[in-house]
Amino acid sequence: DAGVTQSPTHLIKTRGQQVTLRCSPKSGHDTVSWYQQALGQGPQFIFQYYEEEERQRGNFPDRFSGHQFPNYSSELNVNALLLGDSALYLCASSRDAEQFFGPGTRLTVL
Amino acid sequence: TQLLEQSPQFLSIQEGENLTVYCNSSSVFSSLQWYRQEPGEGPVLLVTVVTGGEVKKLKRLTFQFGDARKDSSLHITAAQPGDTGLYLCAGAASNDYKLSFGAGTTVTVRA
Repeated sequence: DAGVTQSPTHLIKTRGQQVTLRCSPKSGHDTVSWYQQALGQGPQFIFQYYEEEERQRGNFPDRFSGHQFPNYSSELNVNALLLGDSALYLCASSRDAEQFFGPGTRLTVL
Repeated sequence: TQLLEQSPQFLSIQEGENLTVYCNSSSVFSSLQWYRQEPGEGPVLLVTVVTGGEVKKLKRLTFQFGDARKDSSLHITAAQPGDTGLYLCAGAASNDYKLSFGAGTTVTVRA
């Protein structure tokens, strides 16, 4: 049984560009949450998707958007990238309160 | 600003010693989770505690949830180099779907 998978593993972009990150949840999980983890900090909640709708959103600008597909997989889109968007982006899937994380996508913005 | 405060920030001990990591908040949580994270990887769930005063043991790791469900601790007995990593606590408030994380405690166990 595969756990949470994310792609790509690493990504390098320049300021102003747009990026799409992908996540496949653990089998049996219907909820996907996205977190941003800057170096030396704990993860910060971006938003959560359930039943293809954004159920809750953290304190992130509208440049951050997402989508959930009927098979529960999800995408995170970031527009107009800033240097400060460089971070590890984590996807977590859940069926109840426990959230299980993927390996993350390391985004570097130059 | 982190909703959950973890202490200490860094901990370096010799193999065989014991250690305790603390996680404190002024907020009440319906559940609290502990994760361990290796460099460049995602956090791995160690345990979930939901009842005030609850104590859970996972081999050499002991987790405690405070009576008021505002704080928690992780105690490792006879630490081994394999216990090295970033330990994160994360709380879920009632009527809240997100996890709020502490900044983490970096534990290094020297052989």
